Amino acid sequence: EAGVAQSPRYKIIEKRQSVAFWCNPISGHATLYWYQQILGQGPKLLIQFQNNGVVDDSQLPKDRFSAERLKGVDSTLKIQPAKLEDSAVYLCASSLELLAGELFFGEGSRLTVL
Amino acid sequence: AQKITQTQPGMFVQEKEAVTLDCTYDTSDPSYGLFWYKQPSSGEMIFLIYQGSYDQQNATEGRYSLNFQKARKSANLVISASQLGDSAMYFCAMRELGTSYGKLTFGQGTILTVHP
Repeated sequence: EAGVAQSPRYKIIEKRQSVAFWCNPISGHATLYWYQQILGQGPKLLIQFQNNGVVDDSQLPKDRFSAERLKGVDSTLKIQPAKLEDSAVYLCASSLELLAGELFFGEGSRLTVL
Repeated sequence: AQKITQTQPGMFVQEKEAVTLDCTYDTSDPSYGLFWYKQPSSGEMIFLIYQGSYDQQNATEGRYSLNFQKARKSANLVISASQLGDSAMYFCAMRELGTSYGKLTFGQGTILTVHP
């Protein structure tokens, strides 16, 4: 069974530039999550989708971050414009159901903002 | 208030010894799940073990066991017979199934170093 796929693995940009990350969850997983992990900290949930609907985006900085999951499968997370404090690993995860089972994580996309 | 607290920033253990990583949680939701994940230096998050709030017995998975004390709201991870490959960051996490759409909230993590 293929795992959660993410790209790119690494990205370096200047502040005020834009960046997009892509995630393809495990086939059949209805719930998709984007987490931000700053170095030395635990992951923080940015947004959670159930199929193509947003369940929770309370911690997403909506002035600069956006995410979509148009067909209920893969998802894109965009940052525009990026700030220095956005330097982090962006982890995508999926789970079979909304309220059951563990989350399966991708390898993450490491963003460095200069 | 912190939902998940891991008070040990770093732990050291000798190879083949057992080690306990502490985790306390805070919730008013009667239905929740507790997870432990391992994050090696390569960055991927690896699921280790799960404990449901209504489970009567402590969860075990190979060398991993979860010491679940519901009244104390603690869910400590015990790793028996430590191996060099166990050196990693370990995260405790909780899903509140009645109130938070099942989102997984993580603690700050504990870095475990296994010495030969």
